[in-house]
Amino acid sequence: DADVTQTPRNRITKTGKRIMLECSQTKGHDRMYWYRQDPGLGLRLIYYSFDVKDINKGEISDGYSVSRQAQAKFSLSLESAIPNQTALYFCATSQPGTSYGYTFGSGTRLTVV
Amino acid sequence: AQSVTQLGSHVSVSEGALVLLRCNYSSSVPPYLFWYVQYPNQGLQLLLKYTTGATLVKGINGFEAEFKKSETSFHLTKPSAHMSDAAEYFCAVSGNAGGTSYGKLTFGQGTILTVHP
Repeated sequence: DADVTQTPRNRITKTGKRIMLECSQTKGHDRMYWYRQDPGLGLRLIYYSFDVKDINKGEISDGYSVSRQAQAKFSLSLESAIPNQTALYFCATSQPGTSYGYTFGSGTRLTVV
Repeated sequence: AQSVTQLGSHVSVSEGALVLLRCNYSSSVPPYLFWYVQYPNQGLQLLLKYTTGATLVKGINGFEAEFKKSETSFHLTKPSAHMSDAAEYFCAVSGNAGGTSYGKLTFGQGTILTVHP
């Protein structure tokens, strides 16, 4: 099994729908992150969590919310999806006291029509 | 605050030629620096990282990068390109211990490397 698992891998949804992207990890890492990737823009941080009780906004959090259900689970929600939220979404984990390289999931490709 | 600029969104080389992907960073604290590679339809894989110590760091697949504080650069090189190196490459910066950027990666825009036979 992958260290960081994202579900679903692909999703097409309609404008205005609520959608949840899920992330689970077996690394035992405390820190989890959600990024979105758009062509030519690299990866931009949406939300991050340094432990179960800690949730922080990233640079592009508007229109998104998150829930850290457990150390191993971090979900991202789009309350009312819009077309410009069409992107590739990545979950990542890291652990303090290490070299801070992230472990990434394989991504969720979301299309909002 | 921290930021990363990758010079050149597309780089094309011939197989066997030198690969040079440029990265400049801005950070208010001493940085940790990373290069990641993304193959088509895959997640990101760590190529190499600089945290402290030797400024020339070696990574996987024959890549290396040199941290130059005076130039705020962390360029990625490989002496001889291989067809399998074709991918998108991302430079990223994180603040070191302490400060609000600690543990958070900021990515550059990415550079797509094409390798011609």
